[in-house]
Parts: sequence; C-alpha cells; structure tokens
Amino acid sequence: SQKIEQNSEALNIQEGKTATLTCNYTNYSPAYLQWYRQDPGRGPVFLLLIRENEKEKRKERLKVTFDTTLKQSLFHITASQPADSATYLCALVGLTGGGNKLTFGTGTQLKVEL
Amino acid sequence: DGGITQSPKYLFRKEGQNVTLSCEQNLNHDAMYWYRQDPGQGLRLIYYSQIVNDFQKGDIAEGYSVSREKKESFPLTVTSAQKNPTAFYLCASIRQGFLNTEAFFGQGTRLTVV
Repeated sequence: SQKIEQNSEALNIQEGKTATLTCNYTNYSPAYLQWYRQDPGRGPVFLLLIRENEKEKRKERLKVTFDTTLKQSLFHITASQPADSATYLCALVGLTGGGNKLTFGTGTQLKVEL
Repeated sequence: DGGITQSPKYLFRKEGQNVTLSCEQNLNHDAMYWYRQDPGQGLRLIYYSQIVNDFQKGDIAEGYSVSREKKESFPLTVTSAQKNPTAFYLCASIRQGFLNTEAFFGQGTRLTVV
C-alpha cells in the first residue's frame, strides 16, 4: 500500500539553528512533492513545490531536496525563529486516471526555542 | 478577494443525524478535495473531484458523500453511517492542468458529535 511517513515525534531546536524534517514515501511514483505549514486550528498553507526532475529548491530560508531513488524529501529551515514553530506536512501528487490525487503525510511538529 | 470558504466553523451533530459541510471557492479551480484531520494526526483524503459532476473516493470515504454540481461548490455530507465523525474537516482546491498546482485550503469545520 502507498505510504507517506514523517517523523511523528516533535522536533525541538534552538533559535538560529537549522531544522531538518524528513518525508519518506513508498509505493508512489509522484509527479511532484509539496511542503505545507499548518498552525493550530487552521488550514495548511503552501510553502514549496519540487518536481521529480528537480534535486533542490530554495525559497528564502527554506530548502527542499527530492531524491526519487531514496524516495525521500528533506525540508530545511535555516536560521530558525520561534515564529517557525508549527506543524509541517509533506504532500505527494500522483497522477491517476482521474487526475491529481493529493495525499498528505502525518506531519512533524517543529518547536523553535529561544 | 479570491479564496476558499468553509462553513460553518463549528458544527454539532446528534448521533444518527446527517450533516452537510459547505465548501465554496471563487478561484476558478477545477479540482476540489475534502480531508479529515484528527488530533495530532495528518490529513486523510475523503473525496476529491477533478471536474463538475465527477468525483472519486479517497482513502476514508465510508460514511461520507459528496456532490459537485457546480465548479465553485463541493459540499460534504457526513452520514449516520460514519461511526466516529468528530474531527476537523478541511476543504482544498487546486487549479488543474498547470505545473504550479499548489492547494489552497479553507479555514476548516470542527464537527463534534453530542
């Protein structure tokens, strides 16, 4: 069966350090992978998208890598700040006969401490 | 302003009742999705629709029904057959057919069975 796995344990880091979150998937051939941020009681907000033929994508303090051989994406936040504390979700889009099926991982909670 | 609107924000249901959650978007997006989120969990796909008058079951469709009579609207009915409906429900939309297909989410409906 298809699975998208993210570390269920919360990640606690100190302000200024780099946070690295992992997304692993099995039995998928995704066209592309996305990362979202979710704050408590709110809907997720899109951060970055990376396509299967891209190795790395950057946006300000964010960096995403995508290794289709390892079936893994890494999400990095450099110079982390307390305002970065949230749950981060990865999502895969696999092209199906009915169109794009968007499936999410379980999410990892990040806490950035002073 | 363009966006995706879910209503109501909070909904209480008595056991044995059907309830309908509203999702409307004015983004002219083709694809719409419904997800369920339980405390501390990721998003699980209930139903999705790529075009009007067509929809597909997601991973946890049992006990739910949808319709897609208009491009702008994708209501979700939680039926009495859903044994554990208390959850946070999220609706999303995506513009089909383009490379940058980020999902836009509503603010969610929190459903509680009383």
